[in-house]
Amino acid sequence: GAGVSQSPRYKVAKRGQDVALRCDPISGHVSLFWYQQALGQGPEFLTYFQNEAQLDKSGLPSDRFFAERPEGSVSTLKIQRTQQEDSAVYLCASSAYRGPGYEQYFGPGTRLTVT
Amino acid sequence: GQQVMQIPQYQHVQEGEDFTTYCNSSTTLSNIQWYKQRPGGHPVFLIQLVKSGEVKKQKRLTFQFGEAKKNSSLHITATQTTDVGTYFCVGSGYSTLTFGKGTMLLVSP
Repeated sequence: GAGVSQSPRYKVAKRGQDVALRCDPISGHVSLFWYQQALGQGPEFLTYFQNEAQLDKSGLPSDRFFAERPEGSVSTLKIQRTQQEDSAVYLCASSAYRGPGYEQYFGPGTRLTVT
Repeated sequence: GQQVMQIPQYQHVQEGEDFTTYCNSSTTLSNIQWYKQRPGGHPVFLIQLVKSGEVKKQKRLTFQFGEAKKNSSLHITATQTTDVGTYFCVGSGYSTLTFGKGTMLLVSP
């Protein structure tokens, strides 16, 4: 019965580098969400998966951001050519239900710092 | 697009005082959720409100959903130092999910 896990917990990248952030949701959870949380702000929605299908990616800020969940379990958020404005905590959440309107369980987040 | 406004942004109270945070949506919501995030932590689910005019209580916490399903409030009676954190409302539309910016609560002993 482990919760949502994310790795790495901390990532420092030089501007222009690519990064990959991993999320392991609670086993059996259908829905998976990615959020970006800047310091002192609320989480901003990035993208939503239902099983392996990416149903909503309207929150991805640019085409440098890409997310996948190929087998409907583990998900990876990839950021290409990182910029300083990408520095934030990236939160992953999963839910046992289909759709965005249900209780979500959050992981501890990955703090990305772009130098 | 859907916007969720939350006030106040910040409140500092003495232990034992009451606290209320308010949430307003620009559109009618399917439901609203509340989360608490402790400093350095991640959001933790508190409750979901679905019905118009719904009121739910969890010990010292009282949650309300407005009749028009566009606003909500969280009231904490007799705050304790363990209540410290940021409280977020999350508005859910048909296919959207929007976090408010949160209310940071500080409680002095």
